[in-house]
Amino acid sequence: GQQLNQSPQSMFIQEGEDVSMNCTSSSIFNTWLWYKQDPGEGPVLLIALYKAGELTSNGRLTAQFGITRKDSFLNISASIPSDVGIYFCAGQDTGNQFYFGTGTSLTVIP
Amino acid sequence: DTGVSQNPRHKITKRGQNVTFRCDPISEHNRLYWYRQTLGQGPEFLTYFQNEAQLEKSRLLSDRFSAERPKGSFSTLEIQRTEQGDSAMYLCASSPPLSPTTGELFFGEGSRLTVL
Repeated sequence: GQQLNQSPQSMFIQEGEDVSMNCTSSSIFNTWLWYKQDPGEGPVLLIALYKAGELTSNGRLTAQFGITRKDSFLNISASIPSDVGIYFCAGQDTGNQFYFGTGTSLTVIP
Repeated sequence: DTGVSQNPRHKITKRGQNVTFRCDPISEHNRLYWYRQTLGQGPEFLTYFQNEAQLEKSRLLSDRFSAERPKGSFSTLEIQRTEQGDSAMYLCASSPPLSPTTGELFFGEGSRLTVL
């Protein structure tokens, strides 16, 4: 199945710094989703985006649905230790199928 | 708790044995998905149900894999004659009926399979 290109693959940052990650696809999507996954757990939905150009925030998280409908980015402001985890993007196509990125591993150094 | 529920959370089995995983989706979610995830990878699609109908199956789903959702509520994923390559986290997710603002996919905590 299709996997989306997600970058960076990993990030090591100091507590308090901002984080940015993005996801690109060769296909157009109707919905973009961002998830966080802790070890041994299922992914937890952070933000959902439904319209091209849409910018949505959830606390310190902000995500945007790219104008081309082939990309999305996620920003985390003022990172804290509990932000540690793996972040996945996912896109939903017209066939109601969801495709996932390869993940960005985030480490926050106190 | 009204989230997606999966059990067992962990299963260790010997090669060649059959295993079955159960998923209880969020109530009123008519769409249910099964994914497989291996270390360092994102979830990979296995199969998808809308109500009781299995609408799509991935090529990853070999003949040894079968999934059911008999009454459009809970679902089971069975793996027959397990192989070591089947070791992975099996994730179930559910999604509400389609609308312009309900394209979310909610995951359970997963069932981790280890085949010895």
